[in-house]
Parts: sequence; structure tokens; C-alpha cells
Amino acid sequence: AQSVTQLDSQVPVFEEAPVELRCNYSSSVSVYLFWYVQYPNQGLQLLLKYLSGSTLVKGINGFEAEFNKSQTSFHLRKPSVHISDTAEYFCAVTKGAGSYQLTFGKGTKLSVIP
Amino acid sequence: GAVVSQHPSWVICKSGTSVKIECRSLDFQATTMFWYRQFPKQSLMLMATSNEGSKATYEQGVEKDKFLINHASLTLSTLTVTSAHPEDSSFYICSARKSSGGGNEQFFGPGTRLTVL
Repeated sequence: AQSVTQLDSQVPVFEEAPVELRCNYSSSVSVYLFWYVQYPNQGLQLLLKYLSGSTLVKGINGFEAEFNKSQTSFHLRKPSVHISDTAEYFCAVTKGAGSYQLTFGKGTKLSVIP
Repeated sequence: GAVVSQHPSWVICKSGTSVKIECRSLDFQATTMFWYRQFPKQSLMLMATSNEGSKATYEQGVEKDKFLINHASLTLSTLTVTSAHPEDSSFYICSARKSSGGGNEQFFGPGTRLTVL
């Protein structure tokens, strides 16, 4: 079975500063990896995903993530955050081709300080 | 494309009543839909996988008689919380997987906030 660990439950950062949200996973099989964002009282919106190919994945809103197989990590980064990036961010994993059940991390609350 | 809606967006009910939540894929067909539950400041917990035309598959610890799931068409799944109690108060989110062309991606609805008094 897969598991996802988001090491930081809360990350405060000043506006226009860079940010990294960490995600590590464990799995005995190859996986697909996702980052979702959730604004208050809303559902989840896909930021980016890694299925195969280039390990650097670019997503919406200026976010990117790098898949590191040796470190089993998929950290999310943004070079300069905005107030509007304040939200909850979830890392998720599913087994490779043929599977579609997602396992979510506990989430990281990103708070952008003006 | 790939829009999922939920109705209602919020509901308040008395203890003991039943509440039905709808999940619709608006612009695609979804053979499989998922129902999640999210407690405040916590992650999403998968409750069940809803398959069109067949019985839902429930995760361990989820009472199938309490959380009734019906996936009657390729665009609609419903979750009925029967005899709701205050401990059932939560944020319920559905997601849908495209019948074709969507790969492993799930598309999420906006969620339904259930408050049981």
C-alpha cells in the first residue's frame, strides 16, 4: 500500500518570497503523483501531476514540482508567492497504470503574509 | 472540460433525518466516482468507490447501510446519509474519473458541507 507524508502542517511565508512544500511517499510499485490545492470551503483543484517522463513538472499558477525517485519525494515549489496562494495543499499518490485510487497526505496550510 | 458539480453545497438537518447529496459530471461520462469525507483541518478520507450500474465498494470502517451510494447513470452518483447524527457532520467531496481519455486523473466537485443538529 502507498502512503504519503507531508512533513509541514503549516508554512507561513511572506509575499513574493519563494516557497517549498514537501511531500514524501512510500510505495513498492511505481506511482503517479499529484498536487492539489483547496481553498476554504471548496473542492480540490489539480495543480500538477507526474505520470512519467521529465521529472520536473510545471503546473498552474506558477507552481512546479520535481519527482525524485531515489528520495521518494515530490516537493512543490513556487519562486514568488502571492496572497492568493493562501490555501491548503495536498499531495496525493496512486499506483501506476491501471489504478486510480488516490492516497492523500494530511495537507499543508500555506499562509502568505503581506 | 471535466467539470463536476455537487448539490447541495451545504445542508443543515435534524438528527435522525436522511440527507441525499448529488454528484454530477457535467461534460463527461464517469464510469467511476469516488466519495470522500473531510473533517476540519484534516485530509480527505476515501469512503467508497461508486461504479455505474453496480454496487459501490466501501472502504474499511465505512458503514454501507448508513452511507448509501447509488450510481444510476454515467453522469450521476448520489450519497445518502441515513439517520444522520451530529458525528456525521463533515465536508463531503466527490470526484469522478472519465470513462475514457482521462487516465488516472480524478476531477473533484466543490464539496457539500453537512451539519447535523
